Amino acid sequence: ETGVTQTPRHLVMGMTNKKSLKCEQHLGHNAMYWYKQSAKKPLELMFVYNFKEQTENNSVPSRFSPECPNSSHLFLHLHTLQPEDSALYLCASSLDDGATNEKLFFGSGTQLSVL
Amino acid sequence: KQEVTQIPAALSVPEGENLVLNCSFTDSAIYNLQWFRQDPGKGLTSLLLIQSSQREQTSGRLNASLDKSSGRSTLYIAASQPGDSATYLCAVNGMKTSYDKVIFGPGTSLSVIP
Repeated sequence: ETGVTQTPRHLVMGMTNKKSLKCEQHLGHNAMYWYKQSAKKPLELMFVYNFKEQTENNSVPSRFSPECPNSSHLFLHLHTLQPEDSALYLCASSLDDGATNEKLFFGSGTQLSVL
Repeated sequence: KQEVTQIPAALSVPEGENLVLNCSFTDSAIYNLQWFRQDPGKGLTSLLLIQSSQREQTSGRLNASLDKSSGRSTLYIAASQPGDSATYLCAVNGMKTSYDKVIFGPGTSLSVIP
């Protein structure tokens, strides 16, 4: 148990559906991240939030919409996805106090299948 | 642009063997390097983190080394066990801010045969 909880664990959706992924951490961390892991590809950073402010958006299509209502919760809203968006979506958090020895803590991920 | 590679892509060893996993990166300007373990369909678990000023870190049967100038890190696993079977990823954290520029390697898939 890393202290980062993601729900749901598995999600199957059609291309016209709207769904949301949820991430929660109670580690007192200030930064939260969404990553995408596709088969045979390295992890891709999608979004970064520091102190609830989005600081990074790595050219992610607008059909992915993040929301960070507070420093403990992070959502990824999904709308009109494509089959190629099927992947494991991972949430992570870090303390982000400027120290060089702080670690990334990951949730267990949401395995998303778009039909 | 930072690029991270890991060799080998897959490795199969008999139980009890010592083994070395390799991670290479192209830009030596890093804050730290972290090694992770990932079980199939699961999230990543942090194993070891080496700061840019350090040469190695140890935890139990694991030892990670860092040579910034040559852009290399190794993860040494002693006396491997079937429970060590997983994918091992290295992640290089760039010089900007905390984890905004972290780049992951593609991973090494390890199988330890009983």
